[in-house]
Amino acid sequence: DAGVTQSPTHLIKTRGQQVTLRCSPKSGHDTVSWYQQALGQGPQFIFQYYEEEERQRGNFPDRFSGHQFPNYSSELNVNALLLGDSALYLCASSLFFGTSGSSTYEQYFGPGTRLTVT
Amino acid sequence: DAKTTQPPSMDCAEGRAANLPCNHSTISGNEYVYWYRQIHSQGPQYIIHGLKNNETNEMASLIITEDRKSSTLILPHATLRDTAVYYCIVSAISGNTGKLIFGQGTTLQVKP
Repeated sequence: DAGVTQSPTHLIKTRGQQVTLRCSPKSGHDTVSWYQQALGQGPQFIFQYYEEEERQRGNFPDRFSGHQFPNYSSELNVNALLLGDSALYLCASSLFFGTSGSSTYEQYFGPGTRLTVT
Repeated sequence: DAKTTQPPSMDCAEGRAANLPCNHSTISGNEYVYWYRQIHSQGPQYIIHGLKNNETNEMASLIITEDRKSSTLILPHATLRDTAVYYCIVSAISGNTGKLIFGQGTTLQVKP
């Protein structure tokens, strides 16, 4: 059973460029969340996708956008990259509460994509 | 979501129990306590969660005080592989809010 996968593992971009990160959720999961983790900090919630719609968003500018596909995989896009966007970008998958029949929001995280902006 | 407070770092001897405290004095009645850990250069890993009763699974035990204002994660026999940053998170279950708010966590160093 494949867990959460992310690609690429590492990426180097220049200020002002655009980047797309990809995530495939754990088999059977239908919800994908994205987090940004700066060095030495805890992960910060960017947004969450379910049924191909953004359901919830953290305190991130519109330069950060996403998409979810019918197969539940997801992309994170960041436009006009800034040096401060350098971070580990984590994808987490889970089951939508309504269908899980469970009280848990156990989320499975991928290994992350390390983005460096120069 | 309620805020949590954890000590920045702790040490534990290999084979001994590691007890990681967390304060969440503003927790609401519908908020669960979650624990995740992050081993260096990996994504966070779910450990355990609870509402008001103590919980135990194959990884750890979670002890929640009666007033729910604090909790303790217990790793009964710590190994070197348990060295990681441990995050205590309080989150409500409502619809699909699923958002996890991570703080700075506790860096647990297990020493031989």
